[in-house]
Amino acid sequence: KAGVTQTPRYLIKTRGQQVTLSCSPISGHRSVSWYQQTPGQGLQFLFEYFSETQRNKGNFPGRFSGRQFSNSRSEMNVSTLELGDSALYLCASSLDPPGSPYYEQYFGPGTRLTVT
Amino acid sequence: GENVEQHPSTLSVQEGDSAVIKCTYSDSASNYFPWYKQELGKRPQLIIDIRSNVGEKKDQRIAVTLNKTAKHFSLHITETQPEDSAVYFCAAPNDYKLSFGAGTTVTVRA
Repeated sequence: KAGVTQTPRYLIKTRGQQVTLSCSPISGHRSVSWYQQTPGQGLQFLFEYFSETQRNKGNFPGRFSGRQFSNSRSEMNVSTLELGDSALYLCASSLDPPGSPYYEQYFGPGTRLTVT
Repeated sequence: GENVEQHPSTLSVQEGDSAVIKCTYSDSASNYFPWYKQELGKRPQLIIDIRSNVGEKKDQRIAVTLNKTAKHFSLHITETQPEDSAVYFCAAPNDYKLSFGAGTTVTVRA
């Protein structure tokens, strides 16, 4: 089975621009979560989607948004980019949502976003 | 919400020695406790996990123990090797998300 894939892998944007990142989960997985990873802040939860519904959102400004499609693929969007948005954005997928009896989450390779 | 604390933040061990990383969680409803290993420039990899109905799980040189009463779980790496050098994260689920500890940077000295 193919793993979680993310595109693009690297991205350089300018302050004020917007960006869309894409995530394709493992085939059959219905839950997709997004995380921001920076050197000093570890893995910060952005949001979780299951069956196209966002069920939890982390403590990030409204500039960060996302969605999930009927095939479970997910996108996240960051508008009005700031220098502090430079980070590795990781997507992770699981068959069932967090807290389910057989829950296991697997990460994609991430998208390295640099804002200049 | 879930708060996962992880200690120590850095750990340096001699090759062949053991390494232990400890995490505590706050939500008593948490039922699943995974550990991820992240090598430099790579994605976090799930290396072992434990569910709330067992107290210990082993996989070759790694093991995880869980104490639900005290709300803490630990990762044990025995006979450490240079390839064990990485950042290790613990996590616990809460409210449709996985909350992560801050990470432990493990360095195995040859």
